[in-house]
Amino acid sequence: NAGVTQTPKFRVLKTGQSMTLLCAQDMNHEYMYWYRQDPGMGLRLIHYSVGEGTTAKGEVPDGYNVSRLKKQNFLLGLESAAPSQTSVYFCASSLGGSPAKDGYTFGSGTRLTVV
Amino acid sequence: EDKVVQSPLSLVVHEGDTVTLNCSYEVTNFRSLLWYKQEKKAPTFLFMLTSSGIEKKSGRLSSILDKKELFSILNITATQTGDSAVYLCAVPGGATNKLIFGTGTLLAVQP
Repeated sequence: NAGVTQTPKFRVLKTGQSMTLLCAQDMNHEYMYWYRQDPGMGLRLIHYSVGEGTTAKGEVPDGYNVSRLKKQNFLLGLESAAPSQTSVYFCASSLGGSPAKDGYTFGSGTRLTVV
Repeated sequence: EDKVVQSPLSLVVHEGDTVTLNCSYEVTNFRSLLWYKQEKKAPTFLFMLTSSGIEKKSGRLSSILDKKELFSILNITATQTGDSAVYLCAVPGGATNKLIFGTGTLLAVQP
């Protein structure tokens, strides 16, 4: 049972480049989330999705776009990367909108460096 | 503004010590509080607490919630080097009603 899989695991971008982070889950979860984790800031919600074809803004959405064309996949895009987007990105999923008895399931993260 | 505050930010102990990690919160319409352990990679779920005064326990880890004083503690007894990790506290809240995380407590257990 793979759970939540993120690709790539590491990436270095130059300022202004674009890229897409892929998150895939095989648990048939309705809800998916993208968080970023920075030192001293904890995990902050970027965007989330409540089901296939839907997306919504989280706490820090600027500079990012997302798409949920298929239920199992949630893509995070950076159109023009900036050094401030250097971070570790985590994808998560949950069965329903409120954390179930076992909370969100997280992927292993993508470490992105923008130079 | 809804928020979650954890203390201490970091802690160094020796194997066999007992530690207490703190999490306080301010959210409207409180539903639950969750604890996660994060080693090198993905946060992994430890506990979800919804009721005051009822201890959740898993091996050497235990947690309790005080809804009146708006805090939770996570206790680890007889610590081992494998307990070294960042411990995260989270509460559903904010405009999105999604999980809001504290900054975490970095625990280092020395042999």
